[in-house]
Amino acid sequence: VQLVESGGGLVQPGKSLKLSCSASGFTFSSYGMHWIRQAPGKGLDWVAYISSSSGTVYADAVKGRFTISRDNAKNTLYLQLNSLKSEDTAIYYCGGGYPVMDAWGQGASVTVSS
Amino acid sequence: DIQMTQSPASLSASLGETVTIECRASEDIYSNLAWYQQKPGNSPQLLIYDANSLADGVPSRFSGSGSGTQYSLKINSLQSEDVASYFCQQYNNYPMYTFGAGTKLELK
Repeated sequence: VQLVESGGGLVQPGKSLKLSCSASGFTFSSYGMHWIRQAPGKGLDWVAYISSSSGTVYADAVKGRFTISRDNAKNTLYLQLNSLKSEDTAIYYCGGGYPVMDAWGQGASVTVSS
Repeated sequence: DIQMTQSPASLSASLGETVTIECRASEDIYSNLAWYQQKPGNSPQLLIYDANSLADGVPSRFSGSGSGTQYSLKINSLQSEDVASYFCQQYNNYPMYTFGAGTKLELK
């Protein structure tokens, strides 16, 4: 199992960014997937979930600003981050497994700063 | 929302010592509790699930216990490679995970 995030970077407050997570080594279309984030020096915060049938659930802190999606043909998970705030600065991990996350990516760093 | 309170926030122990980390849930989570280890610069790795089941490849010096709202992670005979941060996670409210704030384990 391998998960590889990409798309992170430095972005100004109020702008947008799209993260990708490329999956391999398992039947991606059969599994729900999560995004988890970790602010610098802090703990882990669950961000969003998408089921195998593309049902979605979001943390209150990102609801209405972030969108999780998936392309099963490309074995890729996405997170669209809009209206970014400084408090969204974090490493964003994609992960899968049920009901616990036994597969994690290496993380994509997102820094929101002017 | 289920809150997870983890203690201590940091811990210093000697090689060969036994250490225990505690996690308390704000309501009964019916053993839907996992522990993760995160070494500096790396992503978290699953250690224990269902409160007391060892994940594949995890050394037997790690063990988990607890029920209801109180859970603990014990590391017997501490090794240098165990220096890391440890996080508890509830999944009783799946898919909405909640994590504890973490415990940073260092060598004395």
